[in-house]
Amino acid sequence: EIVLTQSPGTLSLSPGERATLSCRASQSVNNNYLAWYQQKPGQAPRVLIYGASARATGIPDRFSGSGSGTDFTLTITRLEPEDFAVYYCQQYADSWTFGQGTKVEIK
Amino acid sequence: QVQLVQSGSELKKPGASVKVSCKASGYTFSHYDIYWVRQAPGQGLEWMGWINTNIGNPTYAQGFTGRFVFSFDTHVTTAYLQISTLKAEDTAVYYCARDRDVLTGYFGYWGQGTLVTVSS
Repeated sequence: EIVLTQSPGTLSLSPGERATLSCRASQSVNNNYLAWYQQKPGQAPRVLIYGASARATGIPDRFSGSGSGTDFTLTITRLEPEDFAVYYCQQYADSWTFGQGTKVEIK
Repeated sequence: QVQLVQSGSELKKPGASVKVSCKASGYTFSHYDIYWVRQAPGQGLEWMGWINTNIGNPTYAQGFTGRFVFSFDTHVTTAYLQISTLKAEDTAVYYCARDRDVLTGYFGYWGQGTLVTVSS
């Protein structure tokens, strides 16, 4: 099983700042089958990024994904008020697993 | 438009069973697998497994064998998650989800979630 470890656990930032979230896999994620999801309280997750770097339909371009192999990053260039949420990475190369999440909170 | 609509919240006693439904619409039901994801209170997402809605053949993740059963009824385009012998630690929100497109692998559509509370 591929284990995904996200860091940091919590990111305290102000609106307008840049957020950088990390997701590290215990073994290489083939074909970069790595997705990022955003979840707000009381809501289902929403896919932001798939294939490590492709933005899902309707996702603003301030969200970007990068990385390959075992190290992946989600970057939010300028945080908007609606971006404060919990973010999860997921690999779908070898069955499916999620990281434990990073909470982006208002500083 | 694609929609996954889940059944409402459930309050069950330990030892009872529960069946959560996931009604699909807006696409050909048998063309897409259904995935199940658990989220315990204040915790992260946990993939439970999936079912091929064409041939059946459910697959269960580690920790979700024995008391968890995935099924579906094509005639009513609905997938089901049944949990038997409920325990307090089964208290969670359960989500169904679907691939964004055929065989893409990531979850592009989600149900709204069903809260199952197990308490005496």
